[in-house]
Amino acid sequence: GQQLNQSPQSMFIQEGEDVSMNCTSSSIFNTWLWYKQEPGEGPVLLIALYKAGELTSNGRLTAQFGITRKDSFLNISASIPSDVGIYFCAGPRGNSGTYKYIFGTGTRLKVLA
Amino acid sequence: DVKVTQSSRYLVKRTGEKVFLECVQDMDHENMFWYRQDPGLGLRLIYFSYDVKMKEKGDIPEGYSVSREKKERFSLILESASTNQTSMYLCASSTPGRGLVQPQHFGDGTRLSIL
Repeated sequence: GQQLNQSPQSMFIQEGEDVSMNCTSSSIFNTWLWYKQEPGEGPVLLIALYKAGELTSNGRLTAQFGITRKDSFLNISASIPSDVGIYFCAGPRGNSGTYKYIFGTGTRLKVLA
Repeated sequence: DVKVTQSSRYLVKRTGEKVFLECVQDMDHENMFWYRQDPGLGLRLIYFSYDVKMKEKGDIPEGYSVSREKKERFSLILESASTNQTSMYLCASSTPGRGLVQPQHFGDGTRLSIL
């Protein structure tokens, strides 16, 4: 079945550093989504990508849709303490049409002030 | 903004009880979902609904049922709660894609403990 592998699983970084994480799929996706989940909250959508090669920014966050359509990358520039959380990638499942997703297991980010 | 509201943030129940988790969305979304989230396992789909009174099983439906009598409300039911159902439960909603995958919008979750 489809799988999404995220790396790294967790990371500790110093405030002000840039962060990179990625997500790889066992199959081709036509959409990539990136979510952030803060402690005690539900996931919140950060960025949606719909086209291979697409690069989209949301403030200090930049995400890219890999040209192979099997991977995606999320970068955070100049990290701050409120960037703490779990970052999930997601993509559409198999032949589910346009509404069911598979989620990665997440990258847990901790920022040291 | 889309608002998905889960009725309880924290819930403690006993083994064997029938448990109801409620979810309401205010954006007239057709699709609604229930997930459970466990450390190291990510989000796993329990059930979803693509219309009123319509439902489909997800990946882990055993021990659960759902109800969707109104478009805005999707309920998850634990028929006879067991300790292995202790978890964080997340509700989400989305519109049909009509050719474009639409993101799901999540509630804040219900942390359920079964004693």
